Amino acid sequence: NAGVTQTPKFQVLKTGQSMTLQCAQDMNHEYMSWYRQDPGMGLRLIHYSVGAGITDQGEVPNGYNVSRSTTEDFPLRLLSAAPSQTSVYFCASSYSAAATGNTIYFGEGSWLTVV
Amino acid sequence: GENVEQHPSTLSVQEGDSAVIKCTYSDSASNYFPWYKQELGKRPQLIIDIRSNVGEKKDQRIAVTLNKTAKHFSLHITETQPEDSAVYFCAALFYNQGGKLIFGQGTELSVKP
Repeated sequence: NAGVTQTPKFQVLKTGQSMTLQCAQDMNHEYMSWYRQDPGMGLRLIHYSVGAGITDQGEVPNGYNVSRSTTEDFPLRLLSAAPSQTSVYFCASSYSAAATGNTIYFGEGSWLTVV
Repeated sequence: GENVEQHPSTLSVQEGDSAVIKCTYSDSASNYFPWYKQELGKRPQLIIDIRSNVGEKKDQRIAVTLNKTAKHFSLHITETQPEDSAVYFCAALFYNQGGKLIFGQGTELSVKP
């Protein structure tokens, strides 16, 4: 049981490049989400999914795409990287968002720098 | 829209003192309120949570209180220790808006020996 696995851990991109941050969980969790963390801004929700085939926007979705073709995987795609997307990205999952009291587990984070 | 406000942004206390962090939320339908602790360079870790049908919950030196009428909840840490130094985040689950977990801005707690 590996929990929530994110790759890569560190990445440097040039402005305009695209890339995908991978997130996988092996706990059969329905709910998965992506957050970005910037100094003084806390954790801001980018996109989330309540099950395979279902995704929705969070607080800061612009510039990012997601898909949920399987229960296990929830990749985050940066379409055309911008310096403003330099951040630490966390993937998180829980058994269900609908039921209260389900612990949300975070991945270790992905440090992304856009130059 | 959904919103969680957290105060203070920084908090410095002497070892052994108590620390209190407060959060307010915008949606009265929110029903789940977790608190996370994040050490430098690491992922957030759940330390305590409370559901909307409970007014207070305690776990050793940590307690959380919830006032649904006022839409605010607080984290209380007693007998603080240097290892309590970290950033603490509150969050609220906005169930009626598709199950979004929205975080406050964080509080950097420093416990001085």
